[in-house]
Amino acid sequence: SAVISQKPSRDICQRGTSLTIQCQVDSQVTMMFWYRQQPGQSLTLIATANQGSEATYESGFVIDKFPISRPNLTFSTLTVSNMSPEDSSIYLCSVTGVLAKNIQYFGAGTRLSVL
Amino acid sequence: KQEVTQIPAALSVPEGENLVLNCSFTDSAIYNLQWFRQDPGKGLTSLLLIQSSQREQTSGRLNASLDKSSGRSTLYIAASQPGDSATYLCAVRAGRTQGGSEKLVFGKGTKLTVNP
Repeated sequence: SAVISQKPSRDICQRGTSLTIQCQVDSQVTMMFWYRQQPGQSLTLIATANQGSEATYESGFVIDKFPISRPNLTFSTLTVSNMSPEDSSIYLCSVTGVLAKNIQYFGAGTRLSVL
Repeated sequence: KQEVTQIPAALSVPEGENLVLNCSFTDSAIYNLQWFRQDPGKGLTSLLLIQSSQREQTSGRLNASLDKSSGRSTLYIAASQPGDSATYLCAVRAGRTQGGSEKLVFGKGTKLTVNP
C-alpha cells in the first residue's frame, strides 16, 4: 500500500487568492494524480503529475488555473489560482500502488471553501 | 464516454441488516472495477478490486460482484454495523487519461447510515 499525506486538510480562502496544496507519498512513484470532488459530484481527474516533465491536464482544466509542481518522485503540489466560490471542493492527491498497480490510493483530501 | 451511476444515493438501515449497493457503467470495456469507502476527513479507502475477468471478490463481510456484459456491479455488506456508515464509491478503470495512464471514472457514491 501507499501512505499519502496531504496538507492542509482544510482551508477557507477569499475570492481572488491562491492556495497551494501539498502531497507527500511514502514511496517513490512515477505518476501522481490530482482529483477534484465538487459538492454532490463524483471525483474528477484534474491532471497527472510526472516527475521531470510538465503535468498533463484533463479536458476542462488548464495549467494557469491549476499549476502543478512535481520536484521529485515522492512529492507534488497543486495550486488553485485566482479562486472563486465555484472552486469550493475537496481536492485529493492519488497514486497507483507500486506493487499492486491496479489499486488506487488516495490522500485524506483538502476541503477548500472560497468566500 | 464512460459514465458510472450509483443507486441509491443514500441508504439508512438498522444495525445487523444485510444490504446491497448498486453500481452501473455504460461501457463494458473496462480493465477493472474498484469499490472505495469515503469517510469525512479521511479520504478514500480501497475496499475491493475486481478485475474485468473476475466475477466477484470477497473481503470479510464485504462481497463485490461484477457483470461486465450488463455493466453492473454490486457491493453486498453482511450484518451491517454503525462503523460501516460512510459514503461508498464505485469506480471503473477504463480508457486513458491525457497523460496516457488508465483512467478511473467514479460514480457519485451511496451515503450509507447504519443506525444502532
